[in-house]
Amino acid sequence: AQSVSQHNHHVILSEAASLELGCNYSYGGTVNLFWYVQYPGQHLQLLLKYFSGDPLVKGIKGFEAEFIKSKFSFNLRKPSVQWSDTAEYFCAVKAAGNKLTFGGGTRVLVKP
Amino acid sequence: NAGVTQTPKFQVLKTGQSMTLQCAQDMNHNSMYWYRQDPGMGLRLIYYSASEGTTDKGEVPNGYNVSRLNKREFSLRLESAAPSQTSVYFCASSQILTESSYNSPLHFGNGTRLTVT
Repeated sequence: AQSVSQHNHHVILSEAASLELGCNYSYGGTVNLFWYVQYPGQHLQLLLKYFSGDPLVKGIKGFEAEFIKSKFSFNLRKPSVQWSDTAEYFCAVKAAGNKLTFGGGTRVLVKP
Repeated sequence: NAGVTQTPKFQVLKTGQSMTLQCAQDMNHNSMYWYRQDPGMGLRLIYYSASEGTTDKGEVPNGYNVSRLNKREFSLRLESAAPSQTSVYFCASSQILTESSYNSPLHFGNGTRLTVT
């Protein structure tokens, strides 16, 4: 069965610091990859997605993610975070013929 | 444009009680889903409905039932609540079943926080 691992459960950083959240998956075939964000008290929203093409994907609010097939990874990055980036971030993977599988989430706290 | 609406927002049940969580979407989506969110475990799929008239089990269906009442509405029922069902429940919808299309992201409701004592 496919699985999705997010290495960090909690991340605390200061405004203007750079952010990188790790995501690894277990499925070896063709995959489609997503990052969802959940701001405090809100529902999950799609942050960015990768289907094919350029492995560096740009999403909303200055986020980007890089798909590295050889490492089965899809790490999320932002060069300079803001207080408003405080949220929980979920990586999700969909392999052909399988359901969308979510990682355990990473809570990010940005200190002003 | 409301998107996906869930009711109630909060609920406290005693062990053995039953309840139904309601979900409605106004985006004319074909597929709907129920997830539960638990700390450190991400979102796990309980049941889903690929289209009106069909429902299927997800990862963690035990203790739950669903009804796809029409294209807009998809309800989740707990027949006999247990403390292990304490969780945050999210309903979601997508244009078509995510298994069938890569271009069909999920749209989530605001969640229902359920506590079973």
